[in-house]
Amino acid sequence: GENVEQHPSTLSVQEGDSAVIKCTYSDSASNYFPWYKQELGKRPQLIIDIRSNVGEKKDQRIAVTLNKTAKHFSLHITETQPEDSAVYFCAAGGGYGQNFVFGPGTRLSVLP
Amino acid sequence: GAVVSQHPSRVICKSGTSVKIECRSLDFQATTMFWYRQFPKQSLMLMATSNEGSKATYEQGVEKDKFLINHASLTLSTLTVTSAHPEDSSFYICSAFPVQFELAAEQFFGPGTRLTVL
Repeated sequence: GENVEQHPSTLSVQEGDSAVIKCTYSDSASNYFPWYKQELGKRPQLIIDIRSNVGEKKDQRIAVTLNKTAKHFSLHITETQPEDSAVYFCAAGGGYGQNFVFGPGTRLSVLP
Repeated sequence: GAVVSQHPSRVICKSGTSVKIECRSLDFQATTMFWYRQFPKQSLMLMATSNEGSKATYEQGVEKDKFLINHASLTLSTLTVTSAHPEDSSFYICSAFPVQFELAAEQFFGPGTRLTVL
């Protein structure tokens, strides 16, 4: 089955700096890669996603890159703000109706 | 659109009792719902896949007789934790795929239920 690894487990950056979180996956059949932000005690919130036919996607300060050959994808947050502090999870899935396998999470702290 | 609710949001029960958690899709129909469990400071772990009108599919290591799942309609799935024990204390989250979004892969998550077993 699918196995998703995520690094780093914790990340502290100064406000205004960039943050990068990296994930790898094992199943070449996975074709959908969402990123979620989760605040304590709340549901995961989708912040960006990418499909396997695209190499990069950007939405304002957030971007995701995907390297299917190497089976890794990364989340990039630029101009970080204190409200970006949360736990971020990457996931890999096989498309509609298929479950996700989540990475272990990265706790991001943006220091003012 | 695509709102998923869960009830209750928080429950405290005594060891040995059963607890039912409801997951509803409020503005869409879902043939497939997933139940996840999340322990403190850990990731979401898939427990089971709930399919409307058929038996749920459980992940390895999840006891189907302990975690009863019923997906009786296209908008409701329930998870019953039977004979709950303190080690079952966790955050339970459901998610759903809208039927009408046939090409979409995004799951919509409920707000979660925090179960504490004393």
